[in-house]
Amino acid sequence: SQTIHQWPATLVQPVGSPLSLECTVEGTSNPNLYWYRQAAGRGLQLLFYSVGIGQISSEVPQNLSASRPQDRQFILSSKKLLLSDSGFYLCAWKLGTGGINSPLHFGNGTRLTVT
Amino acid sequence: AQKITQTQPGMFVQEKEAVTLDCTYDTSDQSYGLFWYKQPSSGEMIFLIYQGSYDEQNATEGRYSLNFQKARKSANLVISASQLGDSAMYFCAMREPLIYNQGGKLIFGQGTELSVKP
Repeated sequence: SQTIHQWPATLVQPVGSPLSLECTVEGTSNPNLYWYRQAAGRGLQLLFYSVGIGQISSEVPQNLSASRPQDRQFILSSKKLLLSDSGFYLCAWKLGTGGINSPLHFGNGTRLTVT
Repeated sequence: AQKITQTQPGMFVQEKEAVTLDCTYDTSDQSYGLFWYKQPSSGEMIFLIYQGSYDEQNATEGRYSLNFQKARKSANLVISASQLGDSAMYFCAMREPLIYNQGGKLIFGQGTELSVKP
């Protein structure tokens, strides 16, 4: 069966420090991968998605970047964090060959607090 | 433009009763998919149920059912026989046609917080 791992679970970082969040998927090949951010009490905003190694699509202009160095690895980064980067970050995957009915499967999330 | 609207920020329901969580969506496409997710306080997102725009029957999964009214562009989630463990945030999401949504992304509503009272 497929599993998704996301770490760390919580992170407290000062403003201006770098960020690296990692997500890996097991048990499937060539998945679509996603990074979402959730502000407190709000819905999920899509940040990036990837349909293959090295392919990154950005949904909103921001202080963050994403990379997919391996088929089942997705990394969210920042060179210098802003206070507004605080939030709950969720990684997700779906079958690359999945149709319109293919659900996203989420990791447990990373709660980032920028101080 | 907001494509998924959940107008109920919070809902209360008595244990063992049924509850309906509202979701309306906006699209000009004929082919699309609608999803509901549950997010407990732990933060994980749990997939509950799916409804395709061409599905003639309303989707059901155990105690979850979807009241799909295509003409009204609504896809309300019905939870029957509520349990204390149903207390969580619930999100409605939509997927637009893959022909121009190659990433297969989901667009989410703002969520409804459901509290089940004993």
